Amino acid sequence: QKEVEQNSGPLSVPEGAIASLNCTYSDRGSQSFFWYRQYSGKSPELIMSIYSNGDKEDGRFTAQLNKASQYVSLLIRDSQPSDSATYLCAVLKDTGRRALTFGSGTRLQVQP
Amino acid sequence: NAGVTQTPKFRILKIGQSMTLQCAQDMNHNYMYWYRQDPGMGLKLIYYSVGAGITDKGEVPNGYNVSRSTTEDFPLRLELAAPSQTSVYFCASRTPGETNTEAFFGQGTRLTVV
Repeated sequence: QKEVEQNSGPLSVPEGAIASLNCTYSDRGSQSFFWYRQYSGKSPELIMSIYSNGDKEDGRFTAQLNKASQYVSLLIRDSQPSDSATYLCAVLKDTGRRALTFGSGTRLQVQP
Repeated sequence: NAGVTQTPKFRILKIGQSMTLQCAQDMNHNYMYWYRQDPGMGLKLIYYSVGAGITDKGEVPNGYNVSRSTTEDFPLRLELAAPSQTSVYFCASRTPGETNTEAFFGQGTRLTVV
C-alpha cells in the first residue's frame, strides 16, 4: 500500500463545474495535510493546508479532511481552464513529522 | 526575499560525471529537503536536513550525498552520474512544527544523464 494514494487521472471537467480530487493516506497518526498545484514544467505551489477534521474554504477551493477514514479531498468550484494542472496531495506523517510525503498527483483538465 | 533558489536550471551530464546541485533559502528555515520527480510521478524524498550539521536519508538516497554547513545552503552531490538519475530535482524548505508549516519549493533543476 502506498503511503499517499491519488488517482492519476486525467480528471476532465467542463468549465464552471466542480472538480473533486481525492487522496487517501496510510499513517493514521498523520496530522498535517497539503494540496499543491503543479503546472507542467514548474515547481509545486501550495493551494491549501488543513489540520483538523472538516472543511476549510479559501476562495474557490475547499479542502476536506476525514481522519477516521484517512482521506483528504480538494474541491474546486467554478473550475477554470487555468486550473488545469497536476494536483499533489502531501502528508506530514506522525513519525518524526519531518518530511512531507507526496502522492503521485491527479492531472486535472478543465475543458473550455 | 528570494525564497528558495536552485542552480543550475538545466544540466546535461555524461555517465560517470559528477556535479553539485545548489540550493539556498533566505527564509531562515531549519528544515530543508531534496526531492526528485520522474515524469508523471510524484516527488520522492532523497535527503533532508533539520538544521546545520544534521542530515538524514529519505526514500531514494543511493547515488547522492548532501551536506548542511549553514542554515541557508543545502547542496546535493551526484558522484557518478547514471541514466537512472535523469529527473527533475526540487529543493524545498519549511519551518518545524505541525501547523503553518508548508514547504516552499525552488524552481527545480532538470538533469539529463546520457
